[in-house]
Amino acid sequence: QVQVVESGGGVVQPGRSLTLSCAASGFTFRRYGMHWVRQAPGKGLEWVTVIGDDGDKKYYADSVKGRFSISRDNSMNMVYLHMTSLRADDTAIYYCAKEQQWGINAFDIWGQGTMVTVSS
Amino acid sequence: EIVMTQSPATLSVSPGERATVTCRTSQSFSSKLAWYQQKPGQAPRLLIYGASTRATGIPARFSGSGSGTEFTLTISSLQSEDFAVYYCQQYNNWPLTFGRGTKVQIK
Repeated sequence: QVQVVESGGGVVQPGRSLTLSCAASGFTFRRYGMHWVRQAPGKGLEWVTVIGDDGDKKYYADSVKGRFSISRDNSMNMVYLHMTSLRADDTAIYYCAKEQQWGINAFDIWGQGTMVTVSS
Repeated sequence: EIVMTQSPATLSVSPGERATVTCRTSQSFSSKLAWYQQKPGQAPRLLIYGASTRATGIPARFSGSGSGTEFTLTISSLQSEDFAVYYCQQYNNWPLTFGRGTKVQIK
């Protein structure tokens, strides 16, 4: 079935780095842009970043620009989120999400999320 | 960035009644708006995209409308499984932005 599965979350100290992974299956991965969306405990949804289908187009939320980077490996059907200089306010569930189709950046497939806790 | 203002923050509705959630945007655009449902402990689920098109498998009691700076999600007759938090999201401009959410609870 069509799905994405995140991994790599955990507890990390402020200022350190962490890389999240997202494994996609059940669809032609190379044809779709992929996003990361996060949700702090008890809060709403915040879009984080996107990578285009061929990896050339990347956009970031201002809150993570310069600290986070997104990448993908179309041969492995994987998306990555490399997070550096982590802060307490980066604590959240991080969801990987698939764009519905080119030009429609609504998210039709979501993973179950991976929790990142930034704490000393 | 486009600011999304959802109202109300909480909506108390009896089963079988209609629920209406509004999303107002700080900039005008035609239809690049989506609605999501999120239940506790679950990932969000896409309900509506293009302001009014139901996503695959979404029941007909969910409908979306609007353009410009005001958009609406209507649930025509609330079922027990519809009590959840609902979010609007614009994809007209980068960065993509969400509303703060509307909790639809049992009255």
